[in-house]
Amino acid sequence: KAGVTQTPRYLIKTRGQQVTLSCSPISGHRSVSWYQQTPGQGLQFLFEYFSETQRNKGNFPGRFSGRQFSNSRSEMNVSTLELGDSALYLCASSYRDSSYEQYFGPGTRLTVT
Amino acid sequence: AQSVTQPDIHITVSEGASLELRCNYSYGATPYLFWYVQSPGQGLQLLLKYFSGDTLVQGIKGFEAEFKRSQSSFNLRKPSVHWSDAAEYFCAVVPTQGGSEKLVFGKGTKLTVNP
Repeated sequence: KAGVTQTPRYLIKTRGQQVTLSCSPISGHRSVSWYQQTPGQGLQFLFEYFSETQRNKGNFPGRFSGRQFSNSRSEMNVSTLELGDSALYLCASSYRDSSYEQYFGPGTRLTVT
Repeated sequence: AQSVTQPDIHITVSEGASLELRCNYSYGATPYLFWYVQSPGQGLQLLLKYFSGDTLVQGIKGFEAEFKRSQSSFNLRKPSVHWSDAAEYFCAVVPTQGGSEKLVFGKGTKLTVNP
């Protein structure tokens, strides 16, 4: 079974631009969560989607948004990029059952210049 | 405040030596507990988890962890470290209240293995 895939793997953007990152979960998984990883703040939860509905949102500004499609694929969007948005963005998928096991993709490395 | 603490930012051990990585949590109710490993340039891989029951849990790659309620700790151990274990290790929790699968991570411990 294929793992979680994220595209693109690397991205360089300029301040003020917007960016869209994509995540394809493991087949059969209906829950997708996004995390931001930076050296200073560590791993922080962005949001969780299940069956196309946002179930939880972390403490991030409204510039960060996401959505989930009917095939469980998810995208996250960051508008008006700031230098501090440079990070590794990780996507995780799960069945959202009682196992609480989340499977992570390799991440998208975003650099904002 | 609710938090997960990994006191050691960086640990260096010799290959073949034993390893213990510390994790403490601060939650009103015992959360679900996890250890993840991240190799350079990679995502996170689940090593093991604890929900309830036997306080010593076995994971993949020869790792185990012990839950101690009295100390609010969930330390990760390995009897004999291999060079391939060099990576960053994250302790994480899912609070049992709230109906969320949101993982709350510690800051991580970077493990260096000397030959």
